[in-house]
Amino acid sequence: AQSVAQPEDQVNVAEGNPLTVKCTYSVSGNPYLFWYVQYPNRGLQFLLKYITGDNLVKGSYGFEAEFNKSQTSFHLKKPSALVSDSALYFCAVRDGGRDDKIIFGKGTRLHILP
Amino acid sequence: KAGVTQTPRYLIKTRGQQVTLSCSPISGHRSVSWYQQTPGQGLQFLFEYFSETQRNKGNFPGRFSGRQFSNSRSEMNVSTLELGDSALYLCASSLRTPNEKLFFGSGTQLSVL
Repeated sequence: AQSVAQPEDQVNVAEGNPLTVKCTYSVSGNPYLFWYVQYPNRGLQFLLKYITGDNLVKGSYGFEAEFNKSQTSFHLKKPSALVSDSALYFCAVRDGGRDDKIIFGKGTRLHILP
Repeated sequence: KAGVTQTPRYLIKTRGQQVTLSCSPISGHRSVSWYQQTPGQGLQFLFEYFSETQRNKGNFPGRFSGRQFSNSRSEMNVSTLELGDSALYLCASSLRTPNEKLFFGSGTQLSVL
């Protein structure tokens, strides 16, 4: 069965610094990987996805994520954090080899400090 | 284009009651999935429907059920409510499968007293 882990419940970053939100996964087939963001009092929004192709995926709001097959990771990154990036971030995985359910991580709360 | 609409926005029920939540997907979207969000467990998959057929189900007891209608609208039902069912229930839609971008509704906040 597939699984996804976000090892950090919370990440604090100073505004203007680079940020990384970590995600590791486990699937038996090819992974379909996603990042979603939940801003306060707003619904979940899609940020980016990796299905196949280039390991570096660019998404909304200046975010990007790097697929690393050997480390089974899909970390979310941004070169320069904004206070408005403060939100709850979810990594998700679906096993591309099977018609299986999508699994979300428990979420990482990102605090950008002014 | 209207987004995913979930009703009601808030619900307060007592233990033992049952509840029905509704979800209207974005026009043209045929896949609807449901999730339970709690502070401790994050976002957990409940079930997924496509063209009125349940394609996948998460690890929830049989008290949780759902269905999808021919117009792609979906409902989920929870019977014999327990305190632990208090959560934000989110619905998401996509064109065909959840491998595509999911569009989420604002959710239904269910409180069980």
